[in-house]
Amino acid sequence: GQQLNQSPQSMFIQEGEDVSMNCTSSSIFNTWLWYKQDPGEGPVLLIALYKAGELTSNGRLTAQFGITRKDSFLNISASIPSDVGIYFCAGSRGNFGNEKLTFGTGTRLTIIP
Amino acid sequence: ETGVTQTPRHLVMGMTNKKSLKCEQHLGHNAMYWYKQSAKKPLELMFVYNFKEQTENNSVPSRFSPECPNSSHLFLHLHTLQPEDSALYLCASSQGLAAYNEQFFGPGTRLTVL
Repeated sequence: GQQLNQSPQSMFIQEGEDVSMNCTSSSIFNTWLWYKQDPGEGPVLLIALYKAGELTSNGRLTAQFGITRKDSFLNISASIPSDVGIYFCAGSRGNFGNEKLTFGTGTRLTIIP
Repeated sequence: ETGVTQTPRHLVMGMTNKKSLKCEQHLGHNAMYWYKQSAKKPLELMFVYNFKEQTENNSVPSRFSPECPNSSHLFLHLHTLQPEDSALYLCASSQGLAAYNEQFFGPGTRLTVL
């Protein structure tokens, strides 16, 4: 089946640092999504990408849909304590069809005091 | 608060027990999903319902039995589970099945099978 390799698995940073994480696949995806999961909660959608090369921002978050359609990147600038959590990428082979989502294994972000 | 609620939030059961997980969405969505989240593994899609009809069963063992009586409610009936079934079970809903429809997740039920 399809797999998404997400890296790094975990990050330990200081408040104010920038963060970068990525997701790669051996298959082409036509939709890339980035979610964040806080402890005790379900994932919440951060950014959705639908076009190769697309660069989309949501506040301090910026995500890019790789030009090969096999990868995506998420950057967080000037991290703050509420950025702590697990970030998941997800991909779908379709945009308008009933293609299910494939999720990555997550990147756990921890901010060191 | 995402508009998707799940009960119970925590459940401990023995392998011979029968229990049910409940999900309710207050968003007027037509599609509902069950996912399994295990430690260090990707979210695994289990079942998908659209307008109360099951559209996806991702090779889930029969000891998991879903039920969707209407578009707002989704149940997962559990019986004779195994310890490896211990995980966080997440429910989600979306307006439709297409990928551009955002899926809204509930907080999950943390299940422990003894």
